[in-house]
Amino acid sequence: SQQGEEDPQALSIQEGENATMNCSYKTSINNLQWYRQNSGRGLVHLILIRSNEREKHSGRLRVTLDTSKKSSSLLITASRAADTASYFCATRSIGGNKLVFGAGTILRVKS
Amino acid sequence: NAGVTQTPKFQVLKTGQSMTLQCAQDMNHNSMYWYRQDPGMGLRLIYYSASEGTTDKGEVPNGYNVSRLNKREFSLRLESAAPSQTSVYFCASSGEPGQGAHEQYFGPGTRLTVT
Repeated sequence: SQQGEEDPQALSIQEGENATMNCSYKTSINNLQWYRQNSGRGLVHLILIRSNEREKHSGRLRVTLDTSKKSSSLLITASRAADTASYFCATRSIGGNKLVFGAGTILRVKS
Repeated sequence: NAGVTQTPKFQVLKTGQSMTLQCAQDMNHNSMYWYRQDPGMGLRLIYYSASEGTTDKGEVPNGYNVSRLNKREFSLRLESAAPSQTSVYFCASSGEPGQGAHEQYFGPGTRLTVT
């Protein structure tokens, strides 16, 4: 069973706009990670946020974590056509030793 | 530094045939993982290995076996392929033994079709 559920399933925006994706999960976590997958390729790690952190930045990426709501969001600012990809959240539960992935959000950035 | 490599890239099998998917990493990572990815399902863990000589079942282990040959290599075997095993298979590795705390590095995937 999947721990993380992304919302929306698909998102289409114009280049230059911001893209926001959300992830909800069910159990208490140690950390939450976001990955990107370009079509036909393997996943690439983007950012990790620990359960005691509320916000983290990396370049044009901003991740927030609300453990009380068991949710996270990934914001990509000033999107580019090259950001077109699927984005997955993955969680590691407290005491667990595996990552559990959500079903992903498909982002399309139109130029 | 090639990262995580997988062979083959594509494979077509008939029902009942067997095959082994190969995975190798050159990052000196302790942990290695096998996932399958199906449309709309995200990635599901098949098996993982926290360190050389150990393997554990993941979420969907039925129909698969694994071997952690050495620290670099982790293979996935389908003994008798079924159409339900049609999927894209990804191998991944991470640096912390048995933990998912740190990022995982993924291979390019093997696209398997079972007819």
